[in-house]
Amino acid sequence: EVQLVESGGGLVQPGRSLRLSCAASGFTFDDYAMHWVRQAPGKGLEWVSGISWNSGSIGYADSVKGRFTISRDNAKNSLYLQMNSLRAEDTALYYCAKDSGMGIAAAGNFDYWGQGTLVTVSS
Amino acid sequence: EIVMTQSPATLSVSPGERATLSCRASQSVSSNLAWYQQKPGQAPRLLIYGASTRATGIPARFSGSGSGTEFTLTISSLQSEDFAVYYCQQYNNWPPLTFGPGTKVDIK
Repeated sequence: EVQLVESGGGLVQPGRSLRLSCAASGFTFDDYAMHWVRQAPGKGLEWVSGISWNSGSIGYADSVKGRFTISRDNAKNSLYLQMNSLRAEDTALYYCAKDSGMGIAAAGNFDYWGQGTLVTVSS
Repeated sequence: EIVMTQSPATLSVSPGERATLSCRASQSVSSNLAWYQQKPGQAPRLLIYGASTRATGIPARFSGSGSGTEFTLTISSLQSEDFAVYYCQQYNNWPPLTFGPGTKVDIK
């Protein structure tokens, strides 16, 4: 059974940093690209960032480019999101999501999602 | 960036009736279009990818159609568990991957 478990969320002041983690199990982690998708309270879904199976290809939404860094550790079956210079508009539930495409051809859609970790940016 | 729009914002349907949801892309995304269902307090669930292929375990009452810029998700006979928010998402040209704003299907 595929499981994605996010952690690291919490209340943080504007301008501070936070690091999210996603522990993956139930599939061969290093075969798949992975993504972070967020959802502000009562709002829709927003893709934040994605990383290929070998970290060779990385992409970001313009809203987080230069502030957030995605990474992965295939030996630990883990995905990370380092979030710096946080803003109030980054307040959201952050989901870790598995890409449905295998190997070098990331599909860009998401067949498994975690339950999310809540990040609240407020003074 | 490809902008996705969905209509209507809210669709009120009686159980057993058909629901038709629309999604439009600001430029062609070929068939690289997915649909997700999200219930309150839950993560989204992949329903359809490739515009018309049902994901694993998705009931046959869900069907997707379209290509290019116009897409439709049809739920042939709404069950109580189908009342939720539905999002379309393009993955033809990224980054960024982009979602539509969602259509809420509620009980009439």
